[in-house]
Amino acid sequence: AQSVTQPDIHITVSEGASLELRCNYSYGATPYLFWYVQSPGQGLQLLLKYFSGDTLVQGIKGFEAEFKRSQSSFNLRKPSVHWSDAAEYFCAVGHRAAGNKLTFGGGTRVLVKP
Amino acid sequence: EPEVTQTPSHQVTQMGQEVILRCVPISNHLYFYWYRQILGQKVEFLVSFYNNEISEKSEIFDDQFSVERPDGSNFTLKIRSTKLEDSAMYFCASRAGVENSPLHFGNGTRLTVT
Repeated sequence: AQSVTQPDIHITVSEGASLELRCNYSYGATPYLFWYVQSPGQGLQLLLKYFSGDTLVQGIKGFEAEFKRSQSSFNLRKPSVHWSDAAEYFCAVGHRAAGNKLTFGGGTRVLVKP
Repeated sequence: EPEVTQTPSHQVTQMGQEVILRCVPISNHLYFYWYRQILGQKVEFLVSFYNNEISEKSEIFDDQFSVERPDGSNFTLKIRSTKLEDSAMYFCASRAGVENSPLHFGNGTRLTVT
């Protein structure tokens, strides 16, 4: 069965500093990979997705993620965080064979210090 | 940009009562999903729905749960007799018919069972 691990439950970063959120997955084939963001009281907003091709994908709000097959990872990065990036971030995997339903990681809560 | 809408945003009910959570997916989408997130836990898959029938359901989705698409626009989740442990945030999602289309989530309904 597929699984997703986000090792960091909380991350605190200073405004303007870089951010990297880790995501590791376990799946029999190369899955579809997603990052979603959830601001307080809000739903899940898609930041970016990977299906195939270029392993470095760009998303909204200045985020990018890199798929590394050898490490079964799909880490999310942002070069310079803004206070509005404070939120919870979820990595998720899916696959056509699984009806495209998503399996989510436990989430990483990002706090931004002024 | 079209979005998935969910009502109500917050529902409080007594144990044993029936609740219906409502969702209006994006209009040209063909696949519909319900997920839930118990406070402090992962986002979990409940059920997927396509072509007017359930395509997959999780272990959580027992006989107390049902889904329906009563008309061309709404997608509902019914919990027949709520339990305390049903308290959670319930997210509706939809996606287009293209194979690798991502899920679009609503803002969720927070269900509190007392």
